[in-house]
Amino acid sequence: DAGITQSPRHKVTETGTPVTLRCHQTENHRYMYWYRQDPGHGLRLIHYSYGVKDTDKGEVSDGYSVSRSKTEDFLLTLESATSSQTSVYFCAISESGGSYNEQFFGPGTRLTVL
Amino acid sequence: GQNIDQPTEMTATEGAIVQINCTYQTSGFNGLFWYQQHAGEAPTFLSYNVLDGLEEKGRFSSFLSRSKGYSYLLLKELQMKDSASYLCAVMDSNYQLIWGAGTKLIIKP
Repeated sequence: DAGITQSPRHKVTETGTPVTLRCHQTENHRYMYWYRQDPGHGLRLIHYSYGVKDTDKGEVSDGYSVSRSKTEDFLLTLESATSSQTSVYFCAISESGGSYNEQFFGPGTRLTVL
Repeated sequence: GQNIDQPTEMTATEGAIVQINCTYQTSGFNGLFWYQQHAGEAPTFLSYNVLDGLEEKGRFSSFLSRSKGYSYLLLKELQMKDSASYLCAVMDSNYQLIWGAGTKLIIKP
C-alpha cells in the first residue's frame, strides 16, 4: 500500500472556525490532490499540487486554501468552516500528472461542521 | 459541461457475472479509470483503459469504446467481498480526473 496518512481522521467543528487537514506521504510522489466526497456526487477536486509550493485550483476550490512546503506534506485549510463543507475529504498522490496517472488515496478525513 | 453517468445501485448473486456501465461526456479524453471503494474506506485502483477494447485482469475486465463514450466493468465469479462501490473516472484534456458518483454493488448469497 502507498504510504499516505491523513490527520485527523475525524473532526467535529463549529461554523466559522478555521480547520486544517494534513496529508502526509512517504512515496516521494510529485503530485498531491485534495478531493471531497459527498453522497450522490463523484469525488470532486478541491486543489492539487504539482511540486513544492506549486498548487492550482480544482473544481470546488472556493472556501479552501492549500499549502505545500515539503514534498511529503500537503495541507488543506478551511479558513472559516461552513455546514456545506461537511464531507469526507480524501488526499491522493500520483507520480506524474500525465495520461496514465494512477492515483493512490489516503484513508480519508470525516469532517462535520455544526 | 462534463458528465459521467453510471447506475446508482446494482444487485447480483454470489458466483454470477455483473456488468457495470459508464457513459461519459468530457472535454477531451486521456484515459478511463475504474476504482473500487468499500464502505468507509479509500478508493483503490482497478483498471485503466485508453485504447478501445477489453482489458482483462483476473476476475475483472474493463471495456472501452471511445467513439460511443462508453465503458463497462465486468466482474466474474462474484464473491461477497466484491460488495463495494465502483467508481468510473475519465481523465480530461487538462489531465484532471472527472468522477462518476459510483455504482453500489450488492452481492447476495
